[in-house]
Amino acid sequence: GQNIDQPTEMTATEGAIVQINCTYQTSGFNGLFWYQQHAGEAPTFLSYNVLDGLEEKGRFSSFLSRSKGYSYLLLKELQMKDSASYLCAVEPHAGKSTFGDGTTLTVKP
Amino acid sequence: DAGVIQSPRHEVTEMGQEVTLRCKPISGHDYLFWYRQTMMRGLELLIYFNNNVPIDDSGMPEDRFSAKMPNASFSTLKIQPSEPRDSAVYFCASTPRMRTNEQFFGPGTRLTVL
Repeated sequence: GQNIDQPTEMTATEGAIVQINCTYQTSGFNGLFWYQQHAGEAPTFLSYNVLDGLEEKGRFSSFLSRSKGYSYLLLKELQMKDSASYLCAVEPHAGKSTFGDGTTLTVKP
Repeated sequence: DAGVIQSPRHEVTEMGQEVTLRCKPISGHDYLFWYRQTMMRGLELLIYFNNNVPIDDSGMPEDRFSAKMPNASFSTLKIQPSEPRDSAVYFCASTPRMRTNEQFFGPGTRLTVL
């Protein structure tokens, strides 16, 4: 089966940096995604990693270590609007994504 | 582009009734996905299509659920008969896989079965 673990909740302060971890055990690996989901809305794509290393996109970065089955999402210069759920998803094979339960991030002033 | 379109946005029905959810993917996207999201189970992939052909339906919970994609611009997810445990938000997503792995999600349909 597929298993994806991420913390349930995190809290951080506006302007700070936060790292959301994701560990996975899957029957195969075709890539790892991070999505952001605000309450009552659809998930929106943040990043995709298929090779080891860091992918940077503005205030958001995502890291992958395939040998460790580990990824993290790094959010810099936190803003209040970053309060949302962050979903880690793994594609064991092309097309089929398995999502983690999500990490609810609360940004406080 | 208008993005992925889903209808209805909200559906309230009684147990035993048939429910049909509709999705129009983004033009040119060759993959279409149906997901279900609940507090208990999170976001689950139900089925996905490639070029209108169902590729993997192993996530469909039981025979009461069926999905079709008669053409590249339309898909349906049908529940017959519906049960209270089917209450969830159902998302449709599409992707032009040859260009990007990003999935574009529709706004979802919030289904309540009484």
